[in-house]
Amino acid sequence: NAGVTQTPKFQVLKTGQSMTLQCAQDMNHEYMSWYRQDPGMGLRLIHYSVGAGITDQGEVPNGYNVSRSTTEDFPLRLLSAAPSQTSVYFCASSYSDRGYGYTFGSGTRLTVV
Amino acid sequence: AQSVTQPDIHITVSEGASLELRCNYSYGATPYLFWYVQSPGQGLQLLLKYFSGDTLVQGIKGFEAEFKRSQSSFNLRKPSVHWSDAAEYFCAVGARGGGADGLTFGKGTHLIIQP
Repeated sequence: NAGVTQTPKFQVLKTGQSMTLQCAQDMNHEYMSWYRQDPGMGLRLIHYSVGAGITDQGEVPNGYNVSRSTTEDFPLRLLSAAPSQTSVYFCASSYSDRGYGYTFGSGTRLTVV
Repeated sequence: AQSVTQPDIHITVSEGASLELRCNYSYGATPYLFWYVQSPGQGLQLLLKYFSGDTLVQGIKGFEAEFKRSQSSFNLRKPSVHWSDAAEYFCAVGARGGGADGLTFGKGTHLIIQP
């Protein structure tokens, strides 16, 4: 089925470890973004991309890195995991910048111990 | 920078009663506005959106929202709620270009449905 696919669904990391959260979409969407969701905080934008090779920082980028080598994939890298990065991470993509709205993946629940 | 405020953290409504969830935004130009719903353990589903034209927009699942520029509001309404509407609701605003550089979300309103 078409949509936004995130892997893994669950992950436990030790402090200091690195990992990559995967995000792939098969809708040929230009715009993609990553969010983290914490209780009582809503969703906060980490990084976004307006096309292959173009990325920029959002509201809470520290400790995260992204790249966009293809239209389909937008991985999020945690460089050195910290307990403060325990969260649920969502990837989203959009067809247009004309307010069509984003399609969200089902999320990755990350725990850093 | 843009911001979104959802004043109500929790709302309890009886099944069959009407619902209104409040959303206020701060943005310098005409905003692109969205309401999303999140069921427990799930991702976000787009309910409706506004970016131009008629200020009363219809969405899925019987929801509607009205854009009021003078009040900087985009409140979500439903005439009669069902138990399946129990969920977390998020209002969001897109920045320049309708959200090309991502969305800014409110902190959400948790909707509880009483039988």
